[in-house]
Amino acid sequence: DTAVSQTPKYLVTQMGNDKSIKCEQNLGHDTMYWYKQDSKKFLKIMFSYNNKELIINETVPNRFSPKSPDKAHLNLHINSLELGDSAVYFCASSPDPSGEKLFFGSGTQLSVL
Amino acid sequence: GESVGLHLPTLSVQEGDNSIINCAYSNSASDYFIWYKQESGKGPQFIIDIRSNMDKRQGQRVTVLLNKTVKHLSLQIAATQPGDSAVYFCAELGAQKLVFGQGTRLTINP
Repeated sequence: DTAVSQTPKYLVTQMGNDKSIKCEQNLGHDTMYWYKQDSKKFLKIMFSYNNKELIINETVPNRFSPKSPDKAHLNLHINSLELGDSAVYFCASSPDPSGEKLFFGSGTQLSVL
Repeated sequence: GESVGLHLPTLSVQEGDNSIINCAYSNSASDYFIWYKQESGKGPQFIIDIRSNMDKRQGQRVTVLLNKTVKHLSLQIAATQPGDSAVYFCAELGAQKLVFGQGTRLTINP
C-alpha cells in the first residue's frame, strides 16, 4: 500500500494548457502539502492544508489552485502553464500542522513545452 | 531569515567507509531539524530528526549531530553501502513548514 500517492507520475504539456495533479494519503494524517523541486533539486513549499483548510500559501502565483475535498486528498490545478512551471511536484502529508516529519509521495515530473 | 545551506554539493566515499554530510542553518530560533534521503526518481524519505534540546541522536547506522553554537548540523552514515547513494537534504522547521537545504549528492565507490 502506497502511503502518499500522486498521479500522474509524468506530465508533458504545451504552454498555456491547464493541468491537474492528484494526491491521496492513506495514513490518516490531518495535514497535506505541495512542494516544488526545481532542476537543481531545491525543494520549496507551495501550500499546506490542515483538515481541508488552507494554512500556508507561499506566495505562489494564483494560476496554482490547490483543492482539498477531504483531509485525505489534496489536488493541484495549474492554469495557463508556463515554461517556468517545469519541475517535479511533490505531495506530502504529516500527522499534524506543526510541519514536522513529512511523508512524501513519489513526485510528478511536469514538463511544459 | 530562514535558510539552510550545505557545505558540499557532492560527496564521494568508498564502500564501507563512514560518510559525513554537513549542513549550516541560519535561524537560531529553529528547534527541530530533519534529514531526508532522496533516491533517483523517488520522493524524499525520512532518515532521522532531532530537536534543539539534544545535540546527538542515533538511528540504525545513522547519527545526527547538532551544534547550536555554530548553527551546524551533520549526518553521519556508518559503513556506507551502495544503497546509500542518493541526495541528502537537511531541513529546519520554520513557521509550520520545513525549509530545505540545497542537498548533497552522495556517491559510493566500490
